Amino acid sequence: NAGVMQNPRHLVRRRGQEARLRCSPMKGHSHVYWYRQLPEEGLKFMVYLQKENIIDESGMPKERFSAEFPKEGPSILRIQQVVRGDSAAYFCASSPNLPGTGYGGYTFGSGTRLTVV
Amino acid sequence: AQSVTQLDSQVPVFEEAPVELRCNYSSSVSVYLFWYVQYPNQGLQLLLKYLSGSTLVKGINGFEAEFNKSQTSFHLRKPSVHISDTAEYFCAVSDSGNTPLVFGKGTRLSVIA
Repeated sequence: NAGVMQNPRHLVRRRGQEARLRCSPMKGHSHVYWYRQLPEEGLKFMVYLQKENIIDESGMPKERFSAEFPKEGPSILRIQQVVRGDSAAYFCASSPNLPGTGYGGYTFGSGTRLTVV
Repeated sequence: AQSVTQLDSQVPVFEEAPVELRCNYSSSVSVYLFWYVQYPNQGLQLLLKYLSGSTLVKGINGFEAEFNKSQTSFHLRKPSVHISDTAEYFCAVSDSGNTPLVFGKGTRLSVIA
């Protein structure tokens, strides 16, 4: 029973390149959340998706960032034209039901650590 | 919108001593509260949760937390810590609506031998 799978674990990109982060939720989970973790800042919510729908993207930067969760395949967080400030750990989590309700919160992946050089 | 305040960014404590990590949240009609632990270079693991019922919640690894509605707090405690408890601990809250978890900034617990 695999947990939330994120890949790659580590990603190095040069400024201006694109970064694509993948997340496969736990089996039976239909809700996916992306969070960004910067040192000393904790986890910041970015986006909440269900299959083929973006439910809440209030935490996503307005430019260069996008996310999808297609009918088939993993959820993708895409960062275009990366800058040094995008360097962070990006965590994906999944849940089987409404967020925070009755099912133990979220199950997190191990994260993707993006370094922009 | 919900917010979470973890009052201590770092807590050093000697092995076998008790520890309390503090968490306060902004008031709401109803809340669900969580503590997560993050070991170095890993994701977050659920320690315990408060959904309803008894205000004293027991979790894994000997941790417990108490929900105090009047003080809007959900402090995490352990009576005797081990070296292996060294990690970062995050408090999180969700209201009863369809909103994502909001996390505090974390408390780094360092257990000293």
